[in-house]
Amino acid sequence: AQTIHQWPVAEIKAVGSPLSLGCTIKGKSSPNLYWYWQATGGTLQQLFYSITVGQVESVVQLNLSASRPKDDQFILSTEKLLLSHSGFYLCAWSPTTSAETLYFGSGTRLTVL
Amino acid sequence: GEQVEQRPPHLSVPEGDSAVIICTYTDSATAYFYWYKQEPGAGLQLLMSVFSNVDRKEEQGLTVLLNKKDKQLSLNLTAAHPGDSAVYFCAVSAGGNNKLTFGQGTVLSVIP
Repeated sequence: AQTIHQWPVAEIKAVGSPLSLGCTIKGKSSPNLYWYWQATGGTLQQLFYSITVGQVESVVQLNLSASRPKDDQFILSTEKLLLSHSGFYLCAWSPTTSAETLYFGSGTRLTVL
Repeated sequence: GEQVEQRPPHLSVPEGDSAVIICTYTDSATAYFYWYKQEPGAGLQLLMSVFSNVDRKEEQGLTVLLNKKDKQLSLNLTAAHPGDSAVYFCAVSAGGNNKLTFGQGTVLSVIP
C-alpha cells in the first residue's frame, strides 16, 4: 500500500525567515506529485506539480519554490517568508496513469508571525 | 479558466437527515469529478470519483449526481451521523493538465 508522509506537522516562523517543507511517498514508483495551499477557511490552490525527478512545474507564483530531488520526495521552500504564506500546505500524489485522482498527505500547518 | 462554485458554505442537519452539497462548474470539457472530505487539521480524504460518462453513483450512504447539461455536481449524504461532520470539497478537472479546480468547501455539522 502507498503511504504519503509530510513533515513537519506544524511550523511557526517569523516573517523573512526561510522555510522547507517535505513530502515522501512510499510504495509507488514514479508518482505525479503536487503541492497545494489552503488559506485558513479557504479552498485549495495548486502551487506546483512534478511528473518526474528534477522536473517541477509552477502553477501559481507565491514566492515559493519546489524541488524533486528523488523519485519519492517533494520539497517546498522559500528563502523569505511573508505573512501571506500562512496556511495549510498539502502534498498529494497521483498514479502516472490516472493523473486526476489525488491522494493527499495530512498537511503542514504554517503560521507566519 | 475553470471556475467552481460550491454551496452552501455551511450546512447543519440533525442526525439521520440527509445533507446535499452542490457544485457548479463552467468548463464544458470537464471530464473528471471528485468529492473530498477534510476533518479538522487533517488532509483530504477522497470520498468518490466520477467520470463524465456516469450520471449517478452510489457508495456507502453517499450519492453523487452529475448533470452535464447544467454543469452541476451534487453530493447527497443520506442518514447523516455526527462522524460525517467535516468540510467537504468538490473538485473537477478537464483531464490531461494535472490540475484540479476545487470548490470553496462546505462545512457540514451533524447535530446529535
